[in-house]
Amino acid sequence: GAVVSQHPSRVICKSGTSVKIECRSLDFQATTMFWYRQFPKQSLMLMATSNEGSKATYEQGVEKDKFLINHASLTLSTLTVTSAHPEDSSFYICSAMGRAAGANVLTFGAGSRLTVL
Amino acid sequence: LAKTTQPISMDSYEGQEVNITCSHNNIATNDYITWYQQFPSQGPRFIIQGYKTKVTNEVASLFIPADRKSSTLSLPRVSLSDTAVYYCLVGDYGGATNKLIFGTGTLLAVQP
Repeated sequence: GAVVSQHPSRVICKSGTSVKIECRSLDFQATTMFWYRQFPKQSLMLMATSNEGSKATYEQGVEKDKFLINHASLTLSTLTVTSAHPEDSSFYICSAMGRAAGANVLTFGAGSRLTVL
Repeated sequence: LAKTTQPISMDSYEGQEVNITCSHNNIATNDYITWYQQFPSQGPRFIIQGYKTKVTNEVASLFIPADRKSSTLSLPRVSLSDTAVYYCLVGDYGGATNKLIFGTGTLLAVQP
């Protein structure tokens, strides 16, 4: 149980285009979802926290107009990278927090590798 | 926010027991301690979670002293496939406003 599906796993796009990444909790309701980005050989950096039905809370230095986060339901959150540039190329990981099998769980997606040409 | 501190890297050999310690001096009363494993280009994978004393599952043990200001992940008889980055994460998973911040993690390199 407590599975999080992240899609797509890899995406290549041209500079200036927008890319959407989906994060779904498959067998539990996610009250909170987190979005991270990770550069090679570095730790995960928290970008934003989102609660279902409310606006996301962005970390300092993360542009909310560039990284649009929508958490419209208890099982789905999306991250849209708008007007992508090569420096946005990174590994993006979502995680979902909720209750599954009577316990609080925090589960991570498999990640999405974004390459901007 | 409970900040965590871990060694940057550790080396081991196959078959040895590995202990990775994490410091979290300002852990809050409602915080749990969770350890994750991450392979390159994959999301972190849950290993074990605890609140106090000792927790054991089929892959690891977690030791937490009474003051809860640190925790130790114990991996028995490691193999080459255990080479990965290990993160300890401290947080209140039942709290809707909790931010979960990753520390540097520990890169464990297992050699034959």
